Amino acid sequence: AQSVAQPEDQVNVAEGNPLTVKCTYSVSGNPYLFWYVQYPNRGLQFLLKYITGDNLVKGSYGFEAEFNKSQTSFHLKKPSALVSDSALYFCAVNMDSNYQLIWGAGTKLIIKP
Amino acid sequence: GAVVSQHPSWVICKSGTSVKIECRSLDFQATTMFWYRQFPKQSLMLMATSNEGSKATYEQGVEKDKFLINHASLTLSTLTVTSAHPEDSSFYICSGRGPSSYEQYFGPGTRLTVT
Repeated sequence: AQSVAQPEDQVNVAEGNPLTVKCTYSVSGNPYLFWYVQYPNRGLQFLLKYITGDNLVKGSYGFEAEFNKSQTSFHLKKPSALVSDSALYFCAVNMDSNYQLIWGAGTKLIIKP
Repeated sequence: GAVVSQHPSWVICKSGTSVKIECRSLDFQATTMFWYRQFPKQSLMLMATSNEGSKATYEQGVEKDKFLINHASLTLSTLTVTSAHPEDSSFYICSGRGPSSYEQYFGPGTRLTVT
């Protein structure tokens, strides 16, 4: 079965430190991978995507993610965390011609001052 | 970037009544629109997928007679929750996809509370 896993329910990072939010996937074929962020009581905002090409993808707000085909991972990273990065982060993979997304469970990122 | 709006942003209705939620793509034509439901501290659950001018495709377990979806134009989709019950209380989010895009653009969500 095709799936996306975000193994951490919550990640705590001190402000200024690097952060990583993990995502692994299990799909057939070539995946299109996405990261979205959700602030409380808000819809989702697109951060970045991997379709093809360079494995290191840069996105909004200083975030980046690295596509690793051998490890089937697409971890989200940022070199220096801000308190305002605190939010819920979702990894998703696009699967079929109707462009439905398969979603990870979400990871709550807490950045402490 | 592409903008999707939802209206209303929050609504309270009495049990047994119906409520309509609108989803509009403001600056692009949404060939496909998706409706999601999100429970507190949980991921998004896809309810249905609709292509403009076609009947919506509902996910397993979603009652199509209860959650009526209309995608009459390339910029507007509506979700009507009929005969609402308190268990229908949730956060409903729509998204749209353009004709040549792999991305979904999300609305800000609608908080529905059924009393």
